Amino acid sequence: AQTVTQSQPEMSVQEAETVTLSCTYDTSESDYYLFWYKQPPSRQMILVIRQEAYKQQNATENRFSVNFQKAAKSFSLKISDSQLGDAAMYFCAYLDGATNKLIFGTGTLLAVQP
Amino acid sequence: SAVISQKPSRDICQRGTSLTIQCQVDSQVTMMFWYRQQPGQSLTLIATANQGSEATYESGFVIDKFPISRPNLTFSTLTVSNMSPEDSSIYLCSVEDQVASGRSAFEQFFGPGTRLTVL
Repeated sequence: AQTVTQSQPEMSVQEAETVTLSCTYDTSESDYYLFWYKQPPSRQMILVIRQEAYKQQNATENRFSVNFQKAAKSFSLKISDSQLGDAAMYFCAYLDGATNKLIFGTGTLLAVQP
Repeated sequence: SAVISQKPSRDICQRGTSLTIQCQVDSQVTMMFWYRQQPGQSLTLIATANQGSEATYESGFVIDKFPISRPNLTFSTLTVSNMSPEDSSIYLCSVEDQVASGRSAFEQFFGPGTRLTVL
């Protein structure tokens, strides 16, 4: 069965600095998708960025980028120029392309210090 | 992206009662999902609800405890039956919105969640 592991329960970053959140996963599939979701205190799940496994190029969305290492099954999220509004719980998620099921990691709580 | 609403946003219920949570989407979607997020935990998939067929439940979740309806392509309900304090969680529905990007990339969008407290 697929699993997603986030080894950092909590992280802290200074405003305007850069922080990287780690995620590893385990799968025997070749066709899948990876996502980072943000959940602020309002509890609304917000999609931050997605990566298709067949794409070698790392996805980028404004200040958010990923480092996708398929062979190592690693999918880290880099947040540049951190802002106070980035403070939230971040979940890494794996989607099986055959079943369309999302499997979530345990989350990383990010604090942004002014 | 799809806009999703859930009712109620929160509720406090007595042990042994049942609560039905509604999920409404502003567009027709094929796949809808129900998740549970226990306090301080990650999201766990309860079931997948497709219109016109029975919901598919994940291991550890059964229809008698979490009956689901999917009467059309924009609406679904999840009932939490015979509740106990262990059912206190946030329940979220999500929908799959296919995004064309040369090859289909499936994204799930989430509703705001229903915070359930069982006394």
